[in-house]
Amino acid sequence: NAGVTQTPKFQVLKTGQSMTLQCAQDMNHEYMSWYRQDPGMGLRLIHYSVGAGITDQGEVPNGYNVSRSTTEDFPLRLLSAAPSQTSVYFCASRLDRNYGYTFGSGTRLTVV
Amino acid sequence: DQQVKQNSPSLSVQEGRISILNCDYTNSMFDYFLWYKKYPAEGPTFLISISSIKDKNEDGRFTVFLNKSAKHLSLHIVPSQPGDSAVYFCAARRYNFNKFYFGSGTKLNVKP
Repeated sequence: NAGVTQTPKFQVLKTGQSMTLQCAQDMNHEYMSWYRQDPGMGLRLIHYSVGAGITDQGEVPNGYNVSRSTTEDFPLRLLSAAPSQTSVYFCASRLDRNYGYTFGSGTRLTVV
Repeated sequence: DQQVKQNSPSLSVQEGRISILNCDYTNSMFDYFLWYKKYPAEGPTFLISISSIKDKNEDGRFTVFLNKSAKHLSLHIVPSQPGDSAVYFCAARRYNFNKFYFGSGTKLNVKP
């Protein structure tokens, strides 16, 4: 089925470890974003991309890196995990600015 | 500072009655608004949207109302069904900007 695929679904990291959350979409969407969901905070934008080779920061970019080498993939890298990065992470894509997002099913990350 | 606010964390409604979910925003430049529904362990799914040139948009049992002067939108679900039990997020975007801002969500419980 077409959509947004996120891997892994669950991950536990130790403080200081690095990892990459994977996101892939097969809908040929230009726009892709990463959000984190925390209790009482809703969804907050981490980074976004408007096309291959173009990325920009969202509301809470510190501690995260992204790259967009292809239209399909938009990985999110945690450089040195901290307990404050314990959250549920959602990747989303949309066709262009006039459409809403299609979200992946999320990655639940715990940093101990 | 949250630009989109959902001040009711939860709402409980009897099956068959109307559910009204509210959302307030602070940025008068927002021109496009969406509602998303989220079940546990799944990503948010798009429900309905409205452009700032309209004050009402309907899709089946779901109607979104926009009051620009009050910077307020609401989602009406009539009649409510147990399957509507989920967390509802509102989101807003400023014209020609790529970022969507999400509220903190309202958890709707529809009792049979």
